[in-house]
Amino acid sequence: KQEVTQIPAALSVPEGENLVLNCSFTDSAIYNLQWFRQDPGKGLTSLLLIQSSQREQTSGRLNASLDKSSGRSTLYIAASQPGDSATYLCAVALGTSGGYQKVTFGTGTKLQVIP
Amino acid sequence: SAVISQKPSRDICQRGTSLTIQCQVDSQVTMMFWYRQQPGQSLTLIATANQGSEATYESGFVIDKFPISRPNLTFSTLTVSNMSPEDSSIYLCSVEGSWGYGYTFGSGTRLTVV
Repeated sequence: KQEVTQIPAALSVPEGENLVLNCSFTDSAIYNLQWFRQDPGKGLTSLLLIQSSQREQTSGRLNASLDKSSGRSTLYIAASQPGDSATYLCAVALGTSGGYQKVTFGTGTKLQVIP
Repeated sequence: SAVISQKPSRDICQRGTSLTIQCQVDSQVTMMFWYRQQPGQSLTLIATANQGSEATYESGFVIDKFPISRPNLTFSTLTVSNMSPEDSSIYLCSVEGSWGYGYTFGSGTRLTVV
């Protein structure tokens, strides 16, 4: 059974700081890994998707890396802004015998960026 | 990537009643997924719905409590039956996009059972 852990559980940083969120998973035979953002009481917004054959993806101030062999992914946020305050979730997809992928979510990191 | 319309966005329900949540996708998809997010927790998969067959439920979830319909390739419903306060959660539907687009989620249904 895939287990996904995110560290830290909560993080508070001053505006402008660069930061790294961590995600670790126990089964390295993943199909892909996706980072999401969730604002309080809202749904999920996809940030970055890394396929199993890729090592990193970038979008604006965000960079996500993937190291399957060690079962780890990091989300790097550059020059953080108060609008980045949200909960960040990593989601790991594994193949199933039914031919589709089953997604397991991490525990989340709640980020607060202080103006 | 697909766009999902989920409704209702929120509801307050009396214990013992049932609520049906709807998800409409703007394109045809093979699989649809239903998740629950309890307060302060991450997302847990309830079931996977394939058009034309019965849904596949994860451990801890049963069809009598969470019946799912999947009448066509763009629509699905999840019913939360005989509700209790412990069912108060956010419920989300999801679909898998084309290769390279990952998963897309509906905006969620915030359910409060009183």
